[in-house]
Amino acid sequence: GQNIDQPTEMTATEGAIVQINCTYQTSGFNGLFWYQQHAGEAPTFLSYNVLDGLEEKGRFSSFLSRSKGYSYLLLKELQMKDSASYLCAILDSNYQLIWGAGTKLIIKP
Amino acid sequence: NAGVTQTPKFRVLKTGQSMTLLCAQDMNHEYMYWYRQDPGMGLRLIHYSVGEGTTAKGEVPDGYNVSRLKKQNFLLGLESAAPSQTSVYFCASSQQGAHQPQHFGDGTRLSIL
Repeated sequence: GQNIDQPTEMTATEGAIVQINCTYQTSGFNGLFWYQQHAGEAPTFLSYNVLDGLEEKGRFSSFLSRSKGYSYLLLKELQMKDSASYLCAILDSNYQLIWGAGTKLIIKP
Repeated sequence: NAGVTQTPKFRVLKTGQSMTLLCAQDMNHEYMYWYRQDPGMGLRLIHYSVGEGTTAKGEVPDGYNVSRLKKQNFLLGLESAAPSQTSVYFCASSQQGAHQPQHFGDGTRLSIL
């Protein structure tokens, strides 16, 4: 079966660094996406990884290890506006997106 | 630039009623998607379209129908609403290719009583 695991909720402090993990077991792999979703709003695209390694984009970085079925999203210099849910999604062998339930990130001053 | 626009934003229906959710995009995207989002679960794909005049079933298509008569519009119909269809519905669009980022509308919050 298809399975994507993310922590349900995490708490971090403003100005700090937080790492949100995503582990997956899917039928094939054609890429991994991270999206941000503020409460009551639409998901917005953050990153796409298809090869192993770290992709850096400003304060956000995304890492992928295909052999371990593992990815993480790293957020640096946390700001209050980073309080949101972070969704991990896998593109499987049929090129269908399988979505994780998301990690709710709470930023405290 | 509007992006992806969903209509209506909120709706309450009685069991057995029918309705249509409208999605419009102004980015000339080929692919369009309908998802539902329920608490504690990931987004689940209902139906999708890879071009004008084409539609395909996703993970949870039962009880829904779709049409893509024009490239910019993707309609989701509920034939006979059931309480299990209470959810937040998101429409998304993307350029051609499953690896392309999807752009989402603001969602429709639908309650079935």
